[in-house]
Amino acid sequence: GQNIDQPTEMTATEGAIVQINCTYQTSGFNGLFWYQQHAGEAPTFLSYNVLDGLEEKGRFSSFLSRSKGYSYLLLKELQMKDSASYLCAVLDSNYQLIWGAGTKLIIKP
Amino acid sequence: GAVVSQHPSWVICKSGTSVKIECRSLDFQATTMFWYRQFPKQSLMLMATSNEGSKATYEQGVEKDKFLINHASLTLSTLTVTSAHPEDSSFYICSARSTGLDTEAFFGQGTRLTVV
Repeated sequence: GQNIDQPTEMTATEGAIVQINCTYQTSGFNGLFWYQQHAGEAPTFLSYNVLDGLEEKGRFSSFLSRSKGYSYLLLKELQMKDSASYLCAVLDSNYQLIWGAGTKLIIKP
Repeated sequence: GAVVSQHPSWVICKSGTSVKIECRSLDFQATTMFWYRQFPKQSLMLMATSNEGSKATYEQGVEKDKFLINHASLTLSTLTVTSAHPEDSSFYICSARSTGLDTEAFFGQGTRLTVV
């Protein structure tokens, strides 16, 4: 079956760095997404990786290793507004998005 | 990388009216476009797949007369939600790719539709 695993919840301190991991087992692979979702709001697109390596975009970076079925989202210089759920999703061979359950990130002052 | 522009990013409309969402590929020719929908706390679900110049293929359970998809050119696809109802309030996202099964699919930023 298809499976996306990511931690349920993480806590970090304002100004610090946090890494949210995601492992996946899917039927085919056409890319991996990270979304940020604040409670009660639509998800916001953060990144899309289809090739191995690190993609940096401001304070956020996303890494992919297709051979390991692994990705992480790295958030630097954490701000209180970064408190949200972070969703990992993989596009399978049928271009269907398979979603992880999300990681709730709590930022403490 | 390639850019897909989706417009509007959010829209509020009255029940019974129609809303059009545009999806444009800015620097490549999108032979295939996909439309997804996400309800709160649920996964994105594929609604339909459209190839340029032909009718869209709708997923089971998606009303083709309600969600009109037009892919008239290689750079533009539109999704029109006709006679919108509050239950149509959702997050809609498009993606586009060019010819070749191994090419990347690029995603728009999504449209948040609220029907009041």
